[in-house]
Amino acid sequence: SQQGEEDPQALSIQEGENATMNCSYKTSINNLQWYRQNSGRGLVHLILIRSNEREKHSGRLRVTLDTSKKSSSLLITASRAADTASYFCATDAAYGNKLVFGAGTILRVKS
Amino acid sequence: DAGITQSPRHKVTETGTPVTLRCHQTENHRYMYWYRQDPGHGLRLIHYSYGVKDTDKGEVSDGYSVSRSKTEDFLLTLESATSSQTSVYFCAIASGIDYGYTFGSGTRLTVV
Repeated sequence: SQQGEEDPQALSIQEGENATMNCSYKTSINNLQWYRQNSGRGLVHLILIRSNEREKHSGRLRVTLDTSKKSSSLLITASRAADTASYFCATDAAYGNKLVFGAGTILRVKS
Repeated sequence: DAGITQSPRHKVTETGTPVTLRCHQTENHRYMYWYRQDPGHGLRLIHYSYGVKDTDKGEVSDGYSVSRSKTEDFLLTLESATSSQTSVYFCAIASGIDYGYTFGSGTRLTVV
């Protein structure tokens, strides 16, 4: 079963625009993480936000977490063609040392 | 990816044969994981390890076994490969439960 569900499934934008991806989950968590996967490659860790945090920034990335709604969003500002990838949220589901991943959002940034 | 390697990168095998995939790390991390990735399913956890000889099942463990006799190596065995096990397999490592995972480059396995 997938703890995290990303929305939208696919997103196509122009270079320079902002991209927003959303993640919803079902049970309480200790932390929520976002990963990027370029085609044919392994996943790369982007950012981790803990359950007691509401917002976190890393470069052009901004992540928010709303535990009351069991949801998170990833914002990529001023997108570049190199941001084209799949993006996954993952939660630890508050029951241990393993992550459960959603099905991902495919982002395409057109130059 | 730095610190973690998977072998082989690609493998084609016949139905019914055993297959072993290897994950090797040089980071001395405690936690190691095997996931499979299939279209529409994201990543699903097969097995994981929280120390030498300490392993546990994940969401899709049927038909798979693992072993971890050394900190640096985590082996995934398909006891009798089936076509439904055709997938891309990823190994990941983590130093603790509040840290991000580092993923390997994956093994593309095709069972014919």
